[in-house]
Amino acid sequence: EAQVTQNPRYLITVTGKKLTVTCSQNMNHEYMSWYRQDPGLGLRQIYYSMNVEVTDKGDVPEGYKVSRKEKRNFPLILESPSPNQTSLYFCASSLTVATNEKLFFGSGTQLSVL
Amino acid sequence: DQQVKQNSPSLSVQEGRISILNCDYTNSMFDYFLWYKKYPAEGPTFLISISSIKDKNEDGRFTVFLNKSAKHLSLHIVPSQPGDSAVYFCAASAMGTSYDKVIFGPGTSLSVIP
Repeated sequence: EAQVTQNPRYLITVTGKKLTVTCSQNMNHEYMSWYRQDPGLGLRQIYYSMNVEVTDKGDVPEGYKVSRKEKRNFPLILESPSPNQTSLYFCASSLTVATNEKLFFGSGTQLSVL
Repeated sequence: DQQVKQNSPSLSVQEGRISILNCDYTNSMFDYFLWYKKYPAEGPTFLISISSIKDKNEDGRFTVFLNKSAKHLSLHIVPSQPGDSAVYFCAASAMGTSYDKVIFGPGTSLSVIP
């Protein structure tokens, strides 16, 4: 089944403890992206990748890192999480980098930073 | 300042009636618009899109109307069904420009009452 898989679904952590949220897609998509969803703000882009080893900042990149060493995987790394990073996170991918290409989203990761 | 606005955070409609979800944008460079639907505990899924060269696009019960002069689009669902209860995100992009990103609105939560 074609899908974007994120893990974990739920994560509770404490301030400063490094964490990684994994994302994998099995559709051979070029483009991958991370979003966070906050009430009243919609989906805001954190980082995106147009291909292997090509990543760039989105609108809210502070406090996050990403890597794209393989086409299928795009992990999100929080080196020193803070409470303002408590949010619902979504990984997404699309076949090409064109902005009119529809995005396929993972099921989300609810992160709480205490 | 939000470039894509959905001014109704929530909407309730009787089953069988029409649901109209509205979206306004401020950036005149936007020329492609997408609607995504999100159920609780799931990621958003693509619903329907429209290019700025059109003023209407239809897919079954879903129709999107675009009024470029007013920088306004709307999603019509006819007839509404209880399974349509979800959060709907409007998104906009500018193809073929240096502004190569998709901007999401804050979402409208639709409840269809049986």
